[in-house]
Amino acid sequence: EAQVTQNPRYLITVTGKKLTVTCSQNMNHEYMSWYRQDPGLGLRQIYYSMNVEVTDKGDVPEGYKVSRKEKRNFPLILESPSPNQTSLYFCASYGWGLAGGRSGELFFGEGSRLTVL
Amino acid sequence: DAKTTQPNSMESNEEEPVHLPCNHSTISGTDYIHWYRQLPSQGPEYVIHGLTSNVNNRMASLAIAEDRKSSTLILHRATLRDAAVYYCISHNFGNEKLTFGTGTRLTIIP
Repeated sequence: EAQVTQNPRYLITVTGKKLTVTCSQNMNHEYMSWYRQDPGLGLRQIYYSMNVEVTDKGDVPEGYKVSRKEKRNFPLILESPSPNQTSLYFCASYGWGLAGGRSGELFFGEGSRLTVL
Repeated sequence: DAKTTQPNSMESNEEEPVHLPCNHSTISGTDYIHWYRQLPSQGPEYVIHGLTSNVNNRMASLAIAEDRKSSTLILHRATLRDAAVYYCISHNFGNEKLTFGTGTRLTIIP
């Protein structure tokens, strides 16, 4: 089954304690990205990656790091979490079509709800 | 980057057609228009996308204005399962940036 898997789904942590949210996709997709969702603000892009070892900042990258060492994995790292990073996080991916064009369909994970105290 | 604006909420009667508008007046010529919807406690799911001409799939239709400054997602016959937040998104395939609007919460009245 085609899917994007995020872990953990729920996490409560304290300010300053480094954490990593993992994201893995089994569709051999080139493109992966992270979003945060906050009430009244919709989804905002944090970072994205167009392929292995290629990452770029989205609209709200401050306080986050990412890496893309393998095609299937795109972890989100919070080196020193702060309460303003309390949010619902989504990972997503999509792939280039067989003819090289984009498939257009972004697949999302189920979300990771993070609370920073 | 293109900004999209949508009404905060809409209501529709069950089994009636629903027209969800989106304004994207600053969209560039190469930005695709995507629609996703988000059911409670789930990640967004793809609905439809297009560039210039109208598009149809099994879920919905997308009508894009000739000047591309606005588009409308059409659900032909709303069911209770269509109650969700619908997001209109601009997708720049050049730099791969996706910009979400704040979404329209669609309520279906039985």
